[in-house]
Amino acid sequence: QSALTQPPSVSGSPGQSVTISCTGTSSDFGHDNSVSWYQQSPGTAPKLVIYEVRIRPSGVPDRFSGSKSANTASLTISGLQAEDEADYYCCSYTARDTYVFGTGTWVTV
Amino acid sequence: EVQLEESGGGLVQPGESLRLSCAGPGFTFSNYWMHWVRQSPGKGLVWVSQIRPDGSTTTSAESLKGRFAISRDNTKNTLYLQMSSLRPDDTAVYYCATGDVLFGLTFWGQGTLVTVAS
Repeated sequence: QSALTQPPSVSGSPGQSVTISCTGTSSDFGHDNSVSWYQQSPGTAPKLVIYEVRIRPSGVPDRFSGSKSANTASLTISGLQAEDEADYYCCSYTARDTYVFGTGTWVTV
Repeated sequence: EVQLEESGGGLVQPGESLRLSCAGPGFTFSNYWMHWVRQSPGKGLVWVSQIRPDGSTTTSAESLKGRFAISRDNTKNTLYLQMSSLRPDDTAVYYCATGDVLFGLTFWGQGTLVTVAS
């Protein structure tokens, strides 16, 4: 099982927007809406920021938004803040009833 | 608030076995799907395995089948990962997490480090 493909890094200035792509195969995205995104700061556990492609858990700022088209999911962070600097991982539930994470993207603010 | 506490990590030699535990006090553990996810030093997240709330069904990453086994004891609110024939590339922080297909991996423990080296 290969990881979903993400860009290694993206960067933006405070207040700007960045978008992280997450690309896989049709079997990687075997369950249409089962895409989630995680934020991980160095030395800490991952934190869920988006589930079901576009839904934000309680407490996650509305600066975080998700979308999906065909075999590519995307996470957009609008109005970048210094605290958003972290690794971000996509995750999908596959057609084989397993999960697969993306390769991870470091966001620099 | 759901809290998860992993334990059982440490230094083991190649070929040895190790069992990790994840305690879930303070919430209805038996209602949740549970997962193990690992992260090798400086690398990305890798999903390892999941188990149904009642323990009747498990699924694992293809590359780990046969060496790693997930289980749970709902009477003890505890999740386990039995790892055998450990190799140096199994060195990682192992996280447990709750979650399902719709809601993602919602709550995570702080992780336990497993180091496989001679």
